[in-house]
Amino acid sequence: EAQVTQNPRYLITVTGKKLTVTCSQNMNHEYMSWYRQDPGLGLRQIYYSMNVEVTDKGDVPEGYKVSRKEKRNFPLILESPSPNQTSLYFCASGRIADTQYFGPGTRLTVL
Amino acid sequence: GDSVTQMEGPVTLSEEAFLTINCTYTATGYPSLFWYVQYPGEGLQLLLKATKADDKGSNKGFEATYRKETTSFHLEKGSVQVSDSAVYFCALMVNDMRFGAGTRLTVKP
Repeated sequence: EAQVTQNPRYLITVTGKKLTVTCSQNMNHEYMSWYRQDPGLGLRQIYYSMNVEVTDKGDVPEGYKVSRKEKRNFPLILESPSPNQTSLYFCASGRIADTQYFGPGTRLTVL
Repeated sequence: GDSVTQMEGPVTLSEEAFLTINCTYTATGYPSLFWYVQYPGEGLQLLLKATKADDKGSNKGFEATYRKETTSFHLEKGSVQVSDSAVYFCALMVNDMRFGAGTRLTVKP
């Protein structure tokens, strides 16, 4: 089944404790991206990647890191999480300029 | 930069009413345009798309036409159902994807 998977789905952590949210796709898509969704703000892009070893900042990259060592994986790294990073996070993949397929979301709470 | 502006909600309609959600965009290139839907507790799903001017996307009774002259991609449905209750996002993509703020639709029986 073609899909985008994210793990974990729910995470509660404390300020400053490094965490990684994994994202994996099995559709051989070049393009992958991360978004955060906050009430009243819609979806804002954090980082995107057009291919392996090619990443670029989106609208809200501060406090986040990503890597794209393999085509199928695009982890999101929070080196020192803060409460303002409490949000719902979505990973997506697709062909460039075409439909993006979204993962189920990761709800992160930083205390 | 590229951006999308969509009608703010929430929108509440009775079953079988006509739906319009307005969406306009600003883009430097030639974007593809999309409507995504998010049901409660779920991720985003593609509802419909259009990749060039005058294209009409349609799915599940929803329609939207890519209007380059008015830079718009308004979503319409002739008769909404309770099951259409969700949040709807307009989006554009050139090199990266930009979303509108979302419009929450509630349909009452």
